[in-house]
Amino acid sequence: QQQVKQSPQSLIVQKGGISIINCAYENTAFDYFPWYQQFPGKGPALLIAIRPDVSEKKEGRFTISFNKSAKQFSLHIMDSQPGDSATYFCAAFAYGGSQGNLIFGKGTKLSVKP
Amino acid sequence: EAGVAQSPRYKIIEKRQSVAFWCNPISGHATLYWYQQILGQGPKLLIQFQNNGVVDDSQLPKDRFSAERLKGVDSTLKIQPAKLEDSAVYLCASSPAGGSGYGYTFGSGTRLTVV
Repeated sequence: QQQVKQSPQSLIVQKGGISIINCAYENTAFDYFPWYQQFPGKGPALLIAIRPDVSEKKEGRFTISFNKSAKQFSLHIMDSQPGDSATYFCAAFAYGGSQGNLIFGKGTKLSVKP
Repeated sequence: EAGVAQSPRYKIIEKRQSVAFWCNPISGHATLYWYQQILGQGPKLLIQFQNNGVVDDSQLPKDRFSAERLKGVDSTLKIQPAKLEDSAVYLCASSPAGGSGYGYTFGSGTRLTVV
């Protein structure tokens, strides 16, 4: 079944701390794993993404760690800032029908306390 | 580059009424998606267009939802009649091509409340 499971549902971190959000998937046909950031009243915006042939990708304070054998991937936010407070969604792309589309996790609401 | 435009931003209707949402994708993007985002959940695909043809509508409740993409550009999503459980944010997204997960850009969505 095409599903992406995300945890935790909510997360509170102190400013300067590390935020970690985890996702797991079942479908081995997934071949692209993006993370989206969503602020209230806005649509999701791409934050960082990884393909399964890479174990880690870093962009600034954001890092994706990918474990293909465990079918798990995670987002690490280093030096978390109050401006990072938002809802984060992991997603996976799978081909289906004639093309394919993104399957999203349920989201993690991150609050960074000053 | 202009983003994905959606209107209206908010809509409140009574159950059994009808409602329509409009989306203008990024210029040149061939693929357009409508997602439903229920409060506290991730977006769920309703329908996917490639140019003006439907490529995936497997999760669209076709007894009440309909969508079209005229001339491969703008798109309209309609609900008739609305139910309480249709209360959600309806997100439109577009991408250059439908064959990968790259380049998805989302609009700000339309928040629908059915009372």
